[in-house]
Amino acid sequence: GAVVSQHPSWVICKSGTSVKIECRSLDFQATTMFWYRQFPKQSLMLMATSNEGSKATYEQGVEKDKFLINHASLTLSTLTVTSAHPEDSSFYICSAQERAYNEQFFGPGTRLTVL
Amino acid sequence: AQTVTQSQPEMSVQEAETVTLSCTYDTSENNYYLFWYKQPPSRQMILVIRQEAYKQQNATENRFSVNFQKAAKSFSLKISDSQLGDTAMYFCAFMKREGAQKLVFGQGTRLTINP
Repeated sequence: GAVVSQHPSWVICKSGTSVKIECRSLDFQATTMFWYRQFPKQSLMLMATSNEGSKATYEQGVEKDKFLINHASLTLSTLTVTSAHPEDSSFYICSAQERAYNEQFFGPGTRLTVL
Repeated sequence: AQTVTQSQPEMSVQEAETVTLSCTYDTSENNYYLFWYKQPPSRQMILVIRQEAYKQQNATENRFSVNFQKAAKSFSLKISDSQLGDTAMYFCAFMKREGAQKLVFGQGTRLTINP
């Protein structure tokens, strides 16, 4: 099956610093990638949708200047949390979709802790 | 906008029993997909089963089957001969067939299989 990786799997950073999370599709070309945020014991909340080579589409209420998304190639998307604060601490999950398949394949997630 | 509702926050059954998780959804779309995802303690999202709305036949995958009632907008998951490894959060999700193929998730049901 299709494999999606995320790096790092966990990160701890100081308040005010920026953190970059990578999402890679390992064995297929992802025309679309999605970024989700999940708080403890809650469901996944879609943050943004990114298509290769174009700007990301953010969901209502998600600060685009805070969460920078880049989808520069068909196998890589990055999420940068800028000037992170403790309230940004969460579990971030990416998923990737190939145009031919109406299914998203999920990465293992990244746990971000901001001190 | 589409909404997905899972009315059972938690369920618990004994090993080898059969359990049914409920899901209802609301949409004005006619062509769409429905999914059940499993999220074990590792937090990796795993696709359990998928149903295409235009197919009347209920999808099955080994011990997992669905009861898809399109008119009632209901999509329940039945797990037969439950195993300890089935312990996880289960999310029901909706995706339009055309246009922006975002997944809309329900709130989740925490399922515990007891030995």
